[in-house]
Amino acid sequence: KQEVTQIPAALSVPEGENLVLNCSFTDSAIYNLQWFRQDPGKGLTSLLLIQSSQREQTSGRLNASLDKSSGRSTLYIAASQPGDSATYLCAVRPHYGGATNKLIFGTGTLLAVQP
Amino acid sequence: KAGVTQTPRYLIKTRGQQVTLSCSPISGHRSVSWYQQTPGQGLQFLFEYFSETQRNKGNFPGRFSGRQFSNSRSEMNVSTLELGDSALYLCASSLEWRGVEAFFGQGTRLTVV
Repeated sequence: KQEVTQIPAALSVPEGENLVLNCSFTDSAIYNLQWFRQDPGKGLTSLLLIQSSQREQTSGRLNASLDKSSGRSTLYIAASQPGDSATYLCAVRPHYGGATNKLIFGTGTLLAVQP
Repeated sequence: KAGVTQTPRYLIKTRGQQVTLSCSPISGHRSVSWYQQTPGQGLQFLFEYFSETQRNKGNFPGRFSGRQFSNSRSEMNVSTLELGDSALYLCASSLEWRGVEAFFGQGTRLTVV
């Protein structure tokens, strides 16, 4: 059974710092991995999608890496800003031998960037 | 380009009642998935639909059901509501049913009293 864990559960940093959020999964049979952010009481905003054959993806100040064999992904946020404060979720799309859009989510990292 | 639209945004229901939630995916998207988010269990997969067919179902009781229409809009229904059904219900829209990027709506906040 696929399990996704995110460490740390909460993180508080001063504005301007570079930071890394971690995501680990137990079963390497995945289609891809997607990072999201969620603001309080809101839906999820897609940040980055990494296919299982890729090692990393970049979007602006965000860089996500994937090491499928070791079951790990990291989300790197450069020069953090107070507007980056949110809960960050990673989710894997399991490969059952067929296509699926089912996502298995991690527990999330609550990020607070202090001005 | 309009995003994923979920209605209603907020609902208060009484135990034992039933409820129907609606999701309109991004125009052109044909896959819709539903998730339940609670503080204790996090985000859990309910079911996914593609071309009006349920492709996958999560580990939820039969009180939870859904359907997809020919225009790709989807509804989920919860019958005989329990207090534990109080949650944020999120709908995700994807272009195809092939492990492509998912885009989420703002969710429906259901409170059962």
